[in-house]
Amino acid sequence: DAGVTQSPTHLIKTRGQQVTLRCSPKSGHDTVSWYQQALGQGPQFIFQYYEEEERQRGNFPDRFSGHQFPNYSSELNVNALLLGDSALYLCASSLRARLDNEKLFFGSGTQLSVL
Amino acid sequence: DAKTTQPNSMESNEEEPVHLPCNHSTISGTDYIHWYRQLPSQGPEYVIHGLTSNVNNRMASLAIAEDRKSSTLILHRATLRDAAVYYCILRKRNTGNQFYFGTGTSLTVIP
Repeated sequence: DAGVTQSPTHLIKTRGQQVTLRCSPKSGHDTVSWYQQALGQGPQFIFQYYEEEERQRGNFPDRFSGHQFPNYSSELNVNALLLGDSALYLCASSLRARLDNEKLFFGSGTQLSVL
Repeated sequence: DAKTTQPNSMESNEEEPVHLPCNHSTISGTDYIHWYRQLPSQGPEYVIHGLTSNVNNRMASLAIAEDRKSSTLILHRATLRDAAVYYCILRKRNTGNQFYFGTGTSLTVIP
């Protein structure tokens, strides 16, 4: 049973460029959340997708957008990259029906460097 | 504003118990307390969670204060594989069940 997989593992971009990160959730999961983790910090919630719609959003600008596909996989898009966007981007999947017992399963992340 | 407060780092000797504290003074009645840990070059992994009562599982125990403003993660016998950053998290019902991570405690296990 494959866990959460993310691609690519590492990425280098320059300021102003656009980037797309991908995530496949754990088998049986229907909800995908994205987090940004700066060096030495805890993960910060970006947004959550369920039934192909953005359900919740953290304090991130509109440059951050996403998508969820019918097979529950998800993409995170960041436009007009800034140096401050350099971070580890984590995808987490969960099963919405678990509600009070919801647990997040994380991928190993995509390390994005903006030069 | 930080929703959880943890010490930056702690040390423990191998095979001894470890108590990792967390303060969450602004917790609401419906907020769940979660603990995750993150090993180097990996994403966080679930450890334990609870609402009001103490909880035990095969990995750890969670002790929740009566007023719920603090909690303690207990690793009964630390091993070298337990060296990680431990995050105390509030899952807040009033913001759509978002998970709010703190800055974590880096646990060093001394052989």
